[in-house]
Amino acid sequence: DADVTQTPRNRITKTGKRIMLECSQTKGHDRMYWYRQDPGLGLRLIYYSFDVKDINKGEISDGYSVSRQAQAKFSLSLESAIPNQTALYFCATSDLGGTSGGPQSSYNEQFFGPGTRLTVL
Amino acid sequence: SQELEQSPQSLIVQEGKNLTINCTSSKTLYGLYWYKQKYGEGLIFLMMLQKGGEEKSHEKITAKLDEKKQQSSLHITASQPSHAGIYLCGADISGTASKLTFGTGTRLQVTL
Repeated sequence: DADVTQTPRNRITKTGKRIMLECSQTKGHDRMYWYRQDPGLGLRLIYYSFDVKDINKGEISDGYSVSRQAQAKFSLSLESAIPNQTALYFCATSDLGGTSGGPQSSYNEQFFGPGTRLTVL
Repeated sequence: SQELEQSPQSLIVQEGKNLTINCTSSKTLYGLYWYKQKYGEGLIFLMMLQKGGEEKSHEKITAKLDEKKQQSSLHITASQPSHAGIYLCGADISGTASKLTFGTGTRLQVTL
C-alpha cells in the first residue's frame, strides 16, 4: 500500500463549485504539505501544516483552505473553483530530523502522493 | 522572478549520452533536494545535498552542490530510456528547515 494517498485522482468540475481534495499518510510524519503544479511553473506551495494545530499559508494560498483533521489527514478545499485553479495537485509529508535553520540544519526529504488532476471548466 | 531556476527547461538526448541539469538559486541554499517525476505522476526522491562541495551518486546519477555559486548540478551518465521524466530541484532557502521551494523542472527525453 502507498504511504501517501490522494483522493480523488482525477476530478472535473464547474466554475463556482466547492471541491475537496484529500490526503492521507501512513508514514507517521507530523508535517504535511499541499502543492500545485502548472506547466512551466514547477511546484508551488499552497499550505503546510506542522501538526494538527499548526497550519501555515504558502506562497499561493488565495482561493484555497485546508483542514488537518488528524496527524494522518490533510484536506485541501477550493471554496469556489475557478478555471485558473486547473492544475495537478500534490500532497507531501516529511519528518524533520536534526536541528532547524542554518547551514547545519537537517531536513528530511518530502514524500509525495500520486497527485490529483483537477480540471475546472 | 523564480527563486530557483533550472536549466535547461527541456532536453532530448540519445540513449547512451551524458547530460547535465543545473539548478541555480538566487538565495543561500541550506539544503538541496533532487526529485524525479514521471509524466503525470508523483515525485520520487533522488538525493539530498547539504554541504558545499558535497557530491552524491546513485547508480548513474551524480549530484553536486556548489555553495559559493548557490548552484547544484545533476549529471546522468550513459542515459537510458528509464531516465526519461521531469527532474525537479527543491531547496530550503529560508534557512528555517520548514519548507522547500522548487524549481520549474527539466523535462528529459531519451531517444533510442
